[in-house]
Amino acid sequence: EAGVTQFPSHSVIEKGQTVTLRCDPISGHDNLYWYRRVMGKEIKFLLHFVKESKQDESGMPNNRFLAERTGGTYSTLKVQPAELEDSGVYFCASSQGQGWGNTEAFFGQGTRLTVV
Amino acid sequence: AQSVTQLDSQVPVFEEAPVELRCNYSSSVSVYLFWYVQYPNQGLQLLLKYLSGSTLVESINGFEAEFNKSQTSFHLRKPSVHISDTAEYFCAVSDQGKFYFGSGTKLNVKP
Repeated sequence: EAGVTQFPSHSVIEKGQTVTLRCDPISGHDNLYWYRRVMGKEIKFLLHFVKESKQDESGMPNNRFLAERTGGTYSTLKVQPAELEDSGVYFCASSQGQGWGNTEAFFGQGTRLTVV
Repeated sequence: AQSVTQLDSQVPVFEEAPVELRCNYSSSVSVYLFWYVQYPNQGLQLLLKYLSGSTLVESINGFEAEFNKSQTSFHLRKPSVHISDTAEYFCAVSDQGKFYFGSGTKLNVKP
């Protein structure tokens, strides 16, 4: 069974440009999460989809970030326009279950974004 | 609110020596606890988890962690480390699927 897949693995863009990250969750997982790790700090939650709906987007840093999950399958995270402080590793995770039955998430390898 | 503290950002240790990576958490509700590992140039991999039952949990590669509710800790231990254990280790708590991570501990095993 394929795990969580993220594309691209690395991206280097100039300040002001747009970048789109993609995440393919494990098939059948309704829950999809985006996390970010900036400059060796802790990995922080960005948002949570349940199927195609945004369940919790409290971690999104600002309106330059737009996440979508059309059809409840793969998700994209767009950063437009990118700023230097957006550099970091973006992780995607997926899981099954609802509420307290939602106990374990499977993580992708991450996308390393560098804004120069 | 949940939070996780990993006090040690780096832990150097010689091969075959024991190691303990510390993790403390704060939570207002019951939580599930995890250790994830990130080997160089790889993604996050689940190492072990505590959901319920026995407070001592083990991984397949010799790591163990003990959930201590009174001390709100979930320290990771291994009695004898290998060079291949060199990686960054993340402690995390899960609240209905949403994870709160510590800042990570880099374990550097030296020959």
